[in-house]
Amino acid sequence: NAGVTQTPKFQVLKTGQSMTLQCAQDMNHEYMSWYRQDPGMGLRLIHYSVGAGITDQGEVPNGYNVSRSTTEDFPLRLLSAAPSQTSVYFCASSYSSLGYEQYFGPGTRLTVT
Amino acid sequence: AQKITQTQPGMFVQEKEAVTLDCTYDTSDQSYGLFWYKQPSSGEMIFLIYQGSYDEQNATEGRYSLNFQKARKSANLVISASQLGDSAMYFCAMREAPNFGNEKLTFGTGTRLTIIP
Repeated sequence: NAGVTQTPKFQVLKTGQSMTLQCAQDMNHEYMSWYRQDPGMGLRLIHYSVGAGITDQGEVPNGYNVSRSTTEDFPLRLLSAAPSQTSVYFCASSYSSLGYEQYFGPGTRLTVT
Repeated sequence: AQKITQTQPGMFVQEKEAVTLDCTYDTSDQSYGLFWYKQPSSGEMIFLIYQGSYDEQNATEGRYSLNFQKARKSANLVISASQLGDSAMYFCAMREAPNFGNEKLTFGTGTRLTIIP
């Protein structure tokens, strides 16, 4: 199993550009989520999904869109990049039950200039 | 109010000593889970240990144990016989399940642990 994969690993955007961060998992997990990690703030939840066709907002959803058309994929779209979105982005997946840990992808380091 | 509080931004510990990383949490739910993750300098998030709110025994995984004190709402990570490879950032996290399918994982701000040879 590849686990959770994310592409790209690094990205530089100009302010106002849009892009999609890709996330895929091959573990048949129902639950998938996106986090951003900023220095001194831990990981903050952006959006999450409990199954194909179902998504919801997390703590910091503004400026991001998600969709979940398949169990495997959960892309994160930046609509109009801003310097405040410079961060490391992690995708995670797990079984949709309290006792299961989340498996994290390797992360995408995004810089917006 | 912070849901997960880690009060130690950084710690320095001598190799082979035991170390305790503090974590307190805040929830009104009866059913929740507590997790610890390790993030080495390479950046990946590594799951270490899990404790369920209804588990009566403290969780253990090799050199890691979780000192769970439910009444005090604390879930401290204990690493026995620390090694140089334990140097990393450590995050405490809580997963609440107020409604089925609405489980969210909330992270603390982390503790940077440095093991000194």
